Amino acid sequence: DGGITQSPKYLFRKEGQNVTLSCEQNLNHDAMYWYRQDPGQGLRLIYYSQIVNDFQKGDIAEGYSVSREKKESFPLTVTSAQKNPTAFYLCASWGPSLGEDYGYTFGSGTRLTVV
Amino acid sequence: RKEVEQDPGPFNVPEGATVAFNCTYSNSASQSFFWYRQDCRKEPKLLMSVYSSGNEDGRFTAQLNRASQYISLLIRDSKLSDSATYLCAVNTSPGGYNKLIFGAGTRLAVHP
Repeated sequence: DGGITQSPKYLFRKEGQNVTLSCEQNLNHDAMYWYRQDPGQGLRLIYYSQIVNDFQKGDIAEGYSVSREKKESFPLTVTSAQKNPTAFYLCASWGPSLGEDYGYTFGSGTRLTVV
Repeated sequence: RKEVEQDPGPFNVPEGATVAFNCTYSNSASQSFFWYRQDCRKEPKLLMSVYSSGNEDGRFTAQLNRASQYISLLIRDSKLSDSATYLCAVNTSPGGYNKLIFGAGTRLAVHP
């Protein structure tokens, strides 16, 4: 079955450490996105990419970096510059999502905690 | 003002009730609109797109009012399994790209 795979499901980061969250899709979608969700809040856009080797900053890009070397993969690095990284991170891609309707398909998310 | 706003709830309703959620958006150039359902500690899943003419899928009806810049979701005959957070999302499509802005979500709790 096609879908988006995020790993790991849970991640613990020490102060000052960079960590990379994986996102892989086999939906053949061009556009991919990273969002962050804090408790009781909506999703906020970190970075997005419409095609390979191209990406744009979202609303809260500071302290994060991404790459898009392959269509299937859009990893997110949370750097030590991100002062409050504890959150639920969601990767999404844009394409046929519900029958013929276009929308986002999300991965199951990564919960990042700073220890 | 937030780009997309929702009543956070919670809405506590008995089984069988009808419940309606509203969502307002600020960008009048927004192109498309969606309702997502999110269960506790899970990823959001697309519930339905919102068409200009309004659309219905079983017990769920979505409406769009461009003049007043809001979308709505009506759930009839609520089931216990409808308990979740409902997120509205607006596609601002900057430069032809698709980019969804989400509301903070409305929590629904259906009780026996």
